Amino acid sequence: NAGVTQTPKFQVLKTGQSMTLQCAQDMNHEYMSWYRQDPGMGLRLIHYSVGAGITDQGEVPNGYNVSRSTTEDFPLRLLSAAPSQTSVYFCASSRTTSGKGDTQYFGPGTRLTVL
Amino acid sequence: AQKVTQAQTEISVVEKEDVTLDCVYETRDTTYYLFWYKQPPSGELVFLIRRNSFDEQNEISGRYSWNFQKSTSSFNFTITASQVVDSAVYFCAIRRGGGSNYKLTFGKGTLLTVNP
Repeated sequence: NAGVTQTPKFQVLKTGQSMTLQCAQDMNHEYMSWYRQDPGMGLRLIHYSVGAGITDQGEVPNGYNVSRSTTEDFPLRLLSAAPSQTSVYFCASSRTTSGKGDTQYFGPGTRLTVL
Repeated sequence: AQKVTQAQTEISVVEKEDVTLDCVYETRDTTYYLFWYKQPPSGELVFLIRRNSFDEQNEISGRYSWNFQKSTSSFNFTITASQVVDSAVYFCAIRRGGGSNYKLTFGKGTLLTVNP
């Protein structure tokens, strides 16, 4: 298993540009989520999904869109990038069954800079 | 709302010293889960442990041990005989039990530096 993969690893955008951060997992996990990590802030939840076709907002959803058309993929879209979205983005996935299977495993992260 | 406090922003030790990372949490839920993740300088997040609120047994894994005390709402992490490879940011996190929101609420992390 490749686990959770994210592309790209690094990205520089200009204010107003759009882009999609890709996230994929090959573990057949129902739950997928996006977090952003900012210095001194820990990680904060942006959006999450409990299965294909189902998404919901997390703690800091403004400026981001998501969709979940397949179990494997959960892309994060920035429609009009702003400097405040400069951050490291992590995708995570897990099963939804209770027990140790619901531990979330994280991808390697995407470092995004918006100029 | 849930909250995790990691009061130690940075800790610096010399190799072979024991070190404890503190984690204090707040929740109104009776069922919840506690986690520790490690973030080495390479940047990825590595899962270390998951503990549910009904299991207060301490756990040991090699040089790592965890002390869960509901009475003080703490879930502390101890590294015995620290090594340079233990240098990382360590995050404590909490999640509610039940429901469909598997949101992890993270503390702000503790930067551990182990010097040779």
